[in-house]
Amino acid sequence: AQSVTQLDSQVPVFEEAPVELRCNYSSSVSVYLFWYVQYPNQGLQLLLKYLSGSTLVKSINGFEAEFNKSQTSFHLRKPSVHISDTAEYFCAVSDIGGYQKVTFGIGTKLQVIP
Amino acid sequence: DVKVTQSSRYLVKRTGEKVFLECVQDMDHENMFWYRQDPGLGLRLIYFSYDVKMKEKGDIPEGYSVSREKKERFSLILESASTNQTSMYLCASSFGGALKGNTIYFGEGSWLTVV
Repeated sequence: AQSVTQLDSQVPVFEEAPVELRCNYSSSVSVYLFWYVQYPNQGLQLLLKYLSGSTLVKSINGFEAEFNKSQTSFHLRKPSVHISDTAEYFCAVSDIGGYQKVTFGIGTKLQVIP
Repeated sequence: DVKVTQSSRYLVKRTGEKVFLECVQDMDHENMFWYRQDPGLGLRLIYFSYDVKMKEKGDIPEGYSVSREKKERFSLILESASTNQTSMYLCASSFGGALKGNTIYFGEGSWLTVV
């Protein structure tokens, strides 16, 4: 069985400061990894994902995440946050085989302070 | 753009009522999902479907059932609503097939309150 741990439930950070949202996973097989973002009163939308190849993946709005197989981590980073980044961020994992059963973490609320 | 539409954003139901949550997607996706989202618990999978008339239990199926008679529509049914089913319900869909890393597209959610 697969699982995801997001260690921080809330992360306050000042505008233009860097941020890291931590995610660790466990699985007995190879996995795909995702970060989804949920803005207030909306559903989730994909931010970025790792399927294979380069372990560093980037989103169009400046976020990046690095797959670290030895540490079973997929931390999300941004060098300089904006007010508009205030949202809840969910890490997710999916086993490569079988049906697409995706397991989500409990979420991390990023609060950007002006 | 992919659109996943949930029929009701806010519902208030009484304990014991039968509740239907409807979801429609417009991208011909094979997979459809129902999650519930609760503070501190994240998203938990209730049921998913990988084809018409097919369904698989997720992590928390107790107290729920689903129906998928057409490819674009996936319904979540609460046979007898209880107060512990008060939650935000999220419908989602994705392409199926061999690419298991496909993006999941979510609806905006349905807030259900059971009183």
